[in-house]
Amino acid sequence: GAGVSQSPRYKVAKRGQDVALRCDPISGHVSLFWYQQALGQGPEFLTYFQNEAQLDKSGLPSDRFFAERPEGSVSTLKIQRTQQEDSAVYLCASSDLPGTQYFGPGTRLLVL
Amino acid sequence: ELKVEQNPLFLSMQEGKNYTIYCNYSTTSDRLYWYRQDPGKSLESLFVLLSNGAVKQEGRLMASLDTKARLSTLHITAAVHDLSATYFCAVDMSSGSGGGADGLTFGKGTHLIIQP
Repeated sequence: GAGVSQSPRYKVAKRGQDVALRCDPISGHVSLFWYQQALGQGPEFLTYFQNEAQLDKSGLPSDRFFAERPEGSVSTLKIQRTQQEDSAVYLCASSDLPGTQYFGPGTRLLVL
Repeated sequence: ELKVEQNPLFLSMQEGKNYTIYCNYSTTSDRLYWYRQDPGKSLESLFVLLSNGAVKQEGRLMASLDTKARLSTLHITAAVHDLSATYFCAVDMSSGSGGGADGLTFGKGTHLIIQP
């Protein structure tokens, strides 16, 4: 079946712009996660949803970052007033509850 | 705060050799994962280790878990060039109660280069 998909795959933003990153999880997966991966580093946890409920947002680096999953399926990560330090790959993962997390291809964000 | 440390961070080895990557973590956890990442690609799940003494093998890779020592190893046997990649271990941040999924804490990764 289809895996986790993310769009766009690449995004270039000017500093101060808002961006929205989309994640389509594997159908039927209850849990959805967002991670941020800086160049040469391991992914870092941002936030976690179980169905539509955001159960953990402790990893969001600032109040400029916002995530939602209103219908318990597709999720959007929004970054407001982007800064250069936001440049990274944003990875989405989904899983059964509990189970292996399956990762999407990521969105590469470059803030100029 | 859960911390996950991998070593080595960089490893260059020749085909045919054996080597082990180590993953230490700082607090009790029920689940440990190994992932592979190729350059510019996403993460591919390799192994899930769920209990003390668990050992899993797939081809030339074998992973083990010692929850008492808070240590997992990924052993490579008779390495081949196709295994060149970055390998991450990750630990589930939830408690050992098995009460549901939570985010993963990753190590920094081991960048493995296997030369012909």
